[in-house]
Amino acid sequence: KNEVEQSPQNLTAQEGEFITINCSYSVGISALHWLQQHPGGGIVSLFMLSSGKKKHGRLIATINIQEKHSSLHITASHPRDSAVYICAVSGSGGANSKLTFGKGITLSVRP
Amino acid sequence: DTAVSQTPKYLVTQMGNDKSIKCEQNLGHDTMYWYKQDSKKFLKIMFSYNNKELIINETVPNRFSPKSPDKAHLNLHINSLELGDSAVYFCASSPGLNYGYTFGSGTRLTVV
Repeated sequence: KNEVEQSPQNLTAQEGEFITINCSYSVGISALHWLQQHPGGGIVSLFMLSSGKKKHGRLIATINIQEKHSSLHITASHPRDSAVYICAVSGSGGANSKLTFGKGITLSVRP
Repeated sequence: DTAVSQTPKYLVTQMGNDKSIKCEQNLGHDTMYWYKQDSKKFLKIMFSYNNKELIINETVPNRFSPKSPDKAHLNLHINSLELGDSAVYFCASSPGLNYGYTFGSGTRLTVV
């Protein structure tokens, strides 16, 4: 079982819909990251969270440390939001910590 | 003025060859990484360097040798390339633990 699990694996939405992508992890972490990868493209860091909630434009990320769960919400979704969304966690091992990735969720937003 | 730049973007080579991928960051970050993304898009850490010092080596075959001449550069040399090395390789940098990461645009390596 992967240390970082994401659900659902694939997601299709209609433009304008509110979208939620989930991430659960099973290890101690120092931070959780949400990353975005467009088809054939590079990886962009969206958020880094260690507690609470962060908002950037139409994107909101939340984390519940006790439940080892994070969600990424997209409000008023748009076709340009179509991408792979990857959850990753930084271990709590100090300087030797590394990012462990989920398998990513492929989001398609239809016009 | 690209923050993390990798070259080349595409690399097609024959089995058995030796090749290098270069990475440079102009962000002043102390830590640099190499990640491998396989055909199923799954990302995995390969190496991490902090201020030119290797701090993570994730059970990568000895054919892969990272080199960090200074903290702004982390190059990846691969000897005796195999078909299974075909993947997208991403370089990234970070100011340190619990900071965000900046990724390069990736190098798509195809071994034929």
